[in-house]
Amino acid sequence: DTGVSQNPRHKITKRGQNVTFRCDPISEHNRLYWYRQTLGQGPEFLTYFQNEAQLEKSRLLSDRFSAERPKGSFSTLEIQRTEQGDSAMYLCASSLATGNQPQHFGDGTRLSIL
Amino acid sequence: QKEVEQNSGPLSVPEGAIASLNCTYSDRGSQSFFWYRQYSGKSPELIMFIYSNGDKEDGRFTAQLNKASQYVSLLIRDSQPSDSATYLCAVNHNTDKLIFGTGTRLQVFP
Repeated sequence: DTGVSQNPRHKITKRGQNVTFRCDPISEHNRLYWYRQTLGQGPEFLTYFQNEAQLEKSRLLSDRFSAERPKGSFSTLEIQRTEQGDSAMYLCASSLATGNQPQHFGDGTRLSIL
Repeated sequence: QKEVEQNSGPLSVPEGAIASLNCTYSDRGSQSFFWYRQYSGKSPELIMFIYSNGDKEDGRFTAQLNKASQYVSLLIRDSQPSDSATYLCAVNHNTDKLIFGTGTRLQVFP
């Protein structure tokens, strides 16, 4: 039973560059969520998908951020023209769609902007 | 007022004691409540979830929910040094996103 998988684990890039993260959810989970966490804070919701449909986006998700889940399996989160404030841990979680099912998190991608 | 509030701690308890972690939330429409444990530099790990008023026990962990008081707590019995971590309270509103508190740091000393 594999859990949520995220790649890469760490990403260091220069300000202004584009970055893309990948998340593979638990196989039978049709809901996939992206959160962002900074030091000393709890995770903040960014967006979520049910199958391939993106159902909600946070105001935190500026136009530099885009997320996709083209075939309803893995998802990608892209940040264009990265800024210092984008440095954070990007967490992916997945769950079943029935009822208020618990969300299970991957190990996260830690992004550092130089 | 934050939507989900937790005391940041640290909460220090001796090994073998009961650790009591508390969380309050502002939205009365909240339906589901979750506790996650997060070790430094790691991702959140689900510990407990509770949907109904009352207590729910799982091993050394007990979650308690009081919707009238908008209060949820986590008790850890027989605390161990390995329980030292940040405990995140999360609340699910009518949508499916989780709203997290800032977490309470627990320190269990030998």
